[in-house]
Amino acid sequence: AQKITQTQPGMFVQEKEAVTLDCTYDTSDPSYGLFWYKQPSSGEMIFLIYQGSYDQQNATEGRYSLNFQKARKSANLVISASQLGDSAMYFCAMRGGSEKLVFGKGTKLTVNP
Amino acid sequence: DTGVSQDPRHKITKRGQNVTFRCDPISEHNRLYWYRQTLGQGPEFLTYFQNEAQLEKSRLLSDRFSAERPKGSFSTLEIQRTEQGDSAMYLCASSLTWDRAYEQYFGPGTRLTVT
Repeated sequence: AQKITQTQPGMFVQEKEAVTLDCTYDTSDPSYGLFWYKQPSSGEMIFLIYQGSYDQQNATEGRYSLNFQKARKSANLVISASQLGDSAMYFCAMRGGSEKLVFGKGTKLTVNP
Repeated sequence: DTGVSQDPRHKITKRGQNVTFRCDPISEHNRLYWYRQTLGQGPEFLTYFQNEAQLEKSRLLSDRFSAERPKGSFSTLEIQRTEQGDSAMYLCASSLTWDRAYEQYFGPGTRLTVT
């Protein structure tokens, strides 16, 4: 069975600073993918970044980067230069041998001016 | 290219009534997924389709739930004899192909309230 754990219910960051959102995972699948989604108060899930289990380099997408440590089974999201619009729920998810995404409980990020 | 759309956005119903939700995926996306999200939780997988074939169903999908994708385009999710525990956000997503790198694009969701 696959499991995603996000231990930070809420995080606060000052505008323009960097923030790291934690994610650990558990799976027995040798090949898997890790995803981060953003969910604003409007409710829509917005894809941010993807990391494959065999990818040698950490994924980056603009201000988002994924700190992938396979041995520790962690896939932390780093947001650089936070903006007020980054305030939202953030979900870590994984997909292994099945089509479905398995999500964590999420972290609520608040960016303060 | 329009995104995934869902209708209605909000539904209030009385316990025991039947409800049906519709999802229109991104055109030409052959995979379509349904998830349920309750307050304070991440989305939970319900079922998915490849074209018109329903390939996987979660045990969360009791016999009161049924999903269809008759022509491999839009999909419907029906809940019969609704219960208060069915109150949740129902999310639909689609993707172009099965590739572990292919993200699922989500719609805005249908929020169901059962009174």
